[in-house]
Amino acid sequence: DAKTTQPTSMDCAEGRAANLPCNHSTISGNEYVYWYRQIHSQGPQYIIHGLKNNETNEMASLIITEDRKSSTLILPHATLRDTAVYYCIVRVAVDYKLSFGAGTTVTVRA
Amino acid sequence: NAGVTQTPKFRVLKTGQSMTLLCAQDMNHEYMYWYRQDPGMGLRLIHYSVGEGTTAKGEVPDGYNVSRLKKQNFLLGLESAAPSQTSVYFCASSYSKQGPSEQYFGPGTRLTVT
Repeated sequence: DAKTTQPTSMDCAEGRAANLPCNHSTISGNEYVYWYRQIHSQGPQYIIHGLKNNETNEMASLIITEDRKSSTLILPHATLRDTAVYYCIVRVAVDYKLSFGAGTTVTVRA
Repeated sequence: NAGVTQTPKFRVLKTGQSMTLLCAQDMNHEYMYWYRQDPGMGLRLIHYSVGEGTTAKGEVPDGYNVSRLKKQNFLLGLESAAPSQTSVYFCASSYSKQGPSEQYFGPGTRLTVT
């Protein structure tokens, strides 16, 4: 699986959009970008995934650059409950294993 | 649906004792996984299963055994617990045999080995 690089931490104001970057410069053509998050002391939670097109669901939007070497997870209106560690993971579809790195600790402040 | 449940939620063991962690899912998922998470680290895959009666090793399988006798259950065993196995253990499951699919995680089991 391609490795990912994320900032260690970031702060966000409540009600504002949170933009979480992820670099995956060695991504292969058949690898997807996944985002999960882990709220303190809970199990990880799936957020969104994409291959090359931008994706949106009820939780977030995923913007993947045209060369697919980086992506951005957007939480459109961050709330205090969005405070969590966010993981960007790259893997091939047929490989069911997830490799979690250190992630980005996002703190939403009132 | 209860989703993915884990039993027990907390456990304290002494070095050398054995125990079994139970994971159950009610979503009819084919794949199940066991991860461990240590302070300041991401999750690491211990073992996984792609179907009833099958198991495979993940990144850190040493000291653990698993069994998948029923599709809905995935058991993680520690035969002789060591302090290095103090961790939070998460079970997960996923449904798709082809194409990408998300994993659903349980609430975790906090294990301390003294």
